[in-house]
Amino acid sequence: EIVMTQSPATLSVSPGERATLSCRASQSVSSNLAWYQQKPGQAPRLLIYGASTRATGISARFSGSGSGTEFTLTISSLQSEDFAVYYCQQYNNWPPLTFGGGTKVEIK
Amino acid sequence: QVQLQESGPGLVKPSETLSLTCAVSAYSISSGYYWGWIRQPPGKGLEWIGSIYHNGYTYYNASLKSRITISVDTSKNQFSLKLSSVTAADTAVYYCARLSGSYYPYFDYWGQGTLVTVSS
Repeated sequence: EIVMTQSPATLSVSPGERATLSCRASQSVSSNLAWYQQKPGQAPRLLIYGASTRATGISARFSGSGSGTEFTLTISSLQSEDFAVYYCQQYNNWPPLTFGGGTKVEIK
Repeated sequence: QVQLQESGPGLVKPSETLSLTCAVSAYSISSGYYWGWIRQPPGKGLEWIGSIYHNGYTYYNASLKSRITISVDTSKNQFSLKLSSVTAADTAVYYCARLSGSYYPYFDYWGQGTLVTVSS
């Protein structure tokens, strides 16, 4: 099973600032990595797939990078609606499909 | 726009079987794709439970495999989850979702989720 590790667990950022979230895989997942955003009481929403491709309707503020075992989600200028929990998920080697533990982006 | 909607009891007694159904609209399950279940205990992260193809082929999380059955009913355009011998540790929000592909799938459409509490 591929273990996904996200850091930090919590990220405190001021509105308008850049946020950088990390995701590490226990073995290579190539570029088969997705990012999701989850707000309280809501289902996760797909942001990024293929490590760097934005899903339909996703703001250009969100960008993904990386391959192999190291990945980054960058939110260029945080808006109020971006404060949420973000999860990465590998889909290179399944079953099982595995998620990281999440990074909570909170208002500083 | 594909839509998914979970339904089922919100309260299940310990040792009993949890049963949920996911109704799919604006897309025919028979047309393809894998469909899956994911759960999230209160305040915790996401756990993939299992997935099913329209022809009934399934993949299950090994940690739950002995207790899971996922089935599909193409005539009703829905799929279902049964989890037996539940304990308090199975208390979670259960989501159904569509997987984007067969070989390298991420979850592109999600249901809103349904909270299932295991308690006597």
